Amino acid sequence: TQLLEQSPQFLSIQEGENLTVYCNSSSVFSSLQWYRQEPGEGPVLLVTVVTGGEVKKLKRLTFQFGDARKDSSLHITAAQPGDTGLYLCAGVGSRLTFGEGTQLTVNP
Amino acid sequence: EAQVTQNPRYLITVTGKKLTVTCSQNMNHEYMSWYRQDPGLGLRQIYYSMNVEVTDKGDVPEGYKVSRKEKRNFPLILESPSPNQTSLYFCASSFGSRGNRVKLFFGSGTQLSVL
Repeated sequence: TQLLEQSPQFLSIQEGENLTVYCNSSSVFSSLQWYRQEPGEGPVLLVTVVTGGEVKKLKRLTFQFGDARKDSSLHITAAQPGDTGLYLCAGVGSRLTFGEGTQLTVNP
Repeated sequence: EAQVTQNPRYLITVTGKKLTVTCSQNMNHEYMSWYRQDPGLGLRQIYYSMNVEVTDKGDVPEGYKVSRKEKRNFPLILESPSPNQTSLYFCASSFGSRGNRVKLFFGSGTQLSVL
């Protein structure tokens, strides 16, 4: 079984701060995805990174895939209350494997 | 509007009373899957289906059944629910299950409580 560990599990910050969420594994994935889940809803795909070392930006969110395709990070610049939610990474291999998630709270 | 529809959103039942959670997608996706989400355990796959009449076990299939008689529908059946199946359940669909074809669309979830 391919396992993905996310850190931190919980993060509470003030509006305007920067943050980074990590997703680590001992397994190699063909690609890695990040989802955001808001209360009462299912996860929504934010991005897929495919190539080792790849960096993708989505407005204030920056996603990076590790060179060895075993890990990824999500960096949010100047966080806003609307960024609050559960962030899930998912590794695409023989199956799709989800991490446990990082619960982010951005306080006004 | 492209969507995955689950019903019901909330369900309270008693141990041993058979129940079905329905899931339907309108995107002509081949791949469908069921997950359960529990605090501290993340999303765990219960069953998945690569296409009509093709289903397979995920990581936690015990106590669940599925069927895929039509492309758009993928119901989850609990023949004899037990309290440890109390959880938040999600149905998801995707064009494919490998590589660049993987893009999961999730339903809004079904919160199940088994008393």
